[in-house]
Amino acid sequence: NAGVTQTPKFRVLKTGQSMTLLCAQDMNHEYMYWYRQDPGMGLRLIHYSVGEGTTAKGEVPDGYNVSRLKKQNFLLGLESAAPSQTSVYFCASTRSLQGTGELFFGEGSRLTVL
Amino acid sequence: GNSVTQMEGPVTLSEEAFLTINCTYTATGYPSLFWYVQYPGEGLQLLLKATKADDKGSNKGFEATYRKETTSFHLEKGSVQVSDSAVYFCALESGNTGKLIFGQGTTLQVKP
Repeated sequence: NAGVTQTPKFRVLKTGQSMTLLCAQDMNHEYMYWYRQDPGMGLRLIHYSVGEGTTAKGEVPDGYNVSRLKKQNFLLGLESAAPSQTSVYFCASTRSLQGTGELFFGEGSRLTVL
Repeated sequence: GNSVTQMEGPVTLSEEAFLTINCTYTATGYPSLFWYVQYPGEGLQLLLKATKADDKGSNKGFEATYRKETTSFHLEKGSVQVSDSAVYFCALESGNTGKLIFGQGTTLQVKP
């Protein structure tokens, strides 16, 4: 069972470069999320999607863009990377908003911006 | 706004010791509460949950009780194992949005 798959798992960028992180889920989940994890700060929500073709801002959206053209994929883009975006990025998905709270997470993508 | 506060780590215990990781929250309404665990090199996994006051969530020997009066959801385990070494996150979901608010995480290291 693949679950939630993130690519790439590691990436080093120079300031100003752009890149896209891909999240793919094979569970037919409606809801998808991008979080970033920083030491001492837990996980913070960047953007999320409640269905194909929809996106919305989370807690820390600045400097990021997202797209959900297909239900199974949720892309996170950095147009002009900054050192402050050095972080570990996690994608998550869930089927229902019935208060179950069970998000399924990918293994993370570690991004370093020099 | 809604927030979650966890005890500072790291927490270092010997095998078979009793574990408590404190978690308190601030939220409007009646949020659902969760504990997630992150093993080294992996994503987060749901450990247990409670959706209303006085509910007790339990899984793999871990327990947590939703205490509305003290706005707390402390994680406990009676006898930890080396394999429990991980980072533990407390989280809340308010209003059936699917958006979780996480605490900062507490690292647990269990020594043989």
